[in-house]
Amino acid sequence: EAQLVESGGGLVQPGGSLRLSCAASGFTFNTFAMNWVRQAPGKGLEWISYITSISTTIFYADSVKGRFTISRDNAKNSLYLQMNSLRAEDTAVYYCAKRMSGPDAFDIWGQGTMVTVSS
Amino acid sequence: QSVLTQPPSVSGAPGQGVTISCTGSSSNIGAGYDVHWYQQLPGTAPKLLIYGNTNRPSGVPDRFSGSKSGTSASLAITGLQAEDEADYYCQCYDSSLSGSRVFGGGTKLTVL
Repeated sequence: EAQLVESGGGLVQPGGSLRLSCAASGFTFNTFAMNWVRQAPGKGLEWISYITSISTTIFYADSVKGRFTISRDNAKNSLYLQMNSLRAEDTAVYYCAKRMSGPDAFDIWGQGTMVTVSS
Repeated sequence: QSVLTQPPSVSGAPGQGVTISCTGSSSNIGAGYDVHWYQQLPGTAPKLLIYGNTNRPSGVPDRFSGSKSGTSASLAITGLQAEDEADYYCQCYDSSLSGSRVFGGGTKLTVL
């Protein structure tokens, strides 16, 4: 069964950094593009980043551009999100999500990891 | 303010049907990009419900259906059940924001 498991969330001060990880299993990780999506407390879903299967193309939402970096290690079946210069408004549950082959939909989601930015 | 507009809430009695709209623009839905729908039960991760405007992943009941026309899309749910109470989100690609995938603001479905 295809599965994604995020880790690395926690409490961090404004201006600080955090690195999230997403471990994939049950599917051929190196053939699928991946995404990060976040959800602030009580709010809706916000797409924040996309990376192709071999990291040739990367996109970011304007809200995180220049501060966050998406990467992947196909040998370790893992996706990462390096978050720098964190702000209070980055407080959210962060989900990794697998893109389908074909339609640009997210068919597998992790359980999410909470990031709280507060002093 | 989301790029895709959804009603904040809809409701219906068990057995009835509801429709959730998702209104976009010429840079996303109107440009011909596919619309996808997700269901998020309370306290859980989103789950893909409809992809490519009208297609259901394996395991999704045929009570759920999607459609698209012009700059809008809709999710229809028939034969409402208590377990359908959840938040529903539409999602699409937007060509005006480089590489951006966009979500609607979400619709809370209440089963009365």
